[in-house]
Amino acid sequence: GAGVSQTPSNKVTEKGKYVELRCDPISGHTALYWYRQSLGQGPEFLIYFQGTGAADDSGLPNDRFFAVRPEGSVSTLKIQRTERGDSAVYLCASSFQGRDSPLHFGNGTRLTVT
Amino acid sequence: EDQVTQSPEALRLQEGESSSLNCSYTVSGLRGLFWYRQDPGKGPEFLFTLYSAGEEKEKERLKATLTKKESFLHITAPKPEDSATYLCAVEYGNNRLAFGKGNQVVVIP
Repeated sequence: GAGVSQTPSNKVTEKGKYVELRCDPISGHTALYWYRQSLGQGPEFLIYFQGTGAADDSGLPNDRFFAVRPEGSVSTLKIQRTERGDSAVYLCASSFQGRDSPLHFGNGTRLTVT
Repeated sequence: EDQVTQSPEALRLQEGESSSLNCSYTVSGLRGLFWYRQDPGKGPEFLFTLYSAGEEKEKERLKATLTKKESFLHITAPKPEDSATYLCAVEYGNNRLAFGKGNQVVVIP
């Protein structure tokens, strides 16, 4: 079946601009996660949705970052007033709820802020 | 303080040369330890979940083991297609995963 889909695959933007990154999870997965991966590092947790609500947003680095999942499926990560330090690969993952349900990741959006 | 430390950072193996990757963790009350494989330009691909010390899981040439302080990923008779970065992660509170930096493995034909 189809995996987690993320668009765009690459995004180049200028410092100070606003960007939106989209994630289509695997059908039927109720849990959705955003992670950020910098070069040479492992993924870093940003936010976790259970259904429509953000169950844990403690990984968001500051208030320029915001994510929504209005209908409990597709999610959008929004970054305002982008900074060069925001450049990274943004990964989305989804899973069923429950102990034996691992995260399935998309291929990410590579964000470059110039 | 790092919760997950992986070693070695990089490893070059001859095809058929078995080796092990190490993942040490410091989180208390482990809820699960995960191994993922990541190819360049791709997202992490799930391999294994381990829950308790003594547990082992196998998939083709890969075998994951878990103790109270660390996990090992054993690669037996590797092939060039096993070249990838292997990521270890531990689950802690609210379904969050803390990842290590990864073990970059290159298998030379």
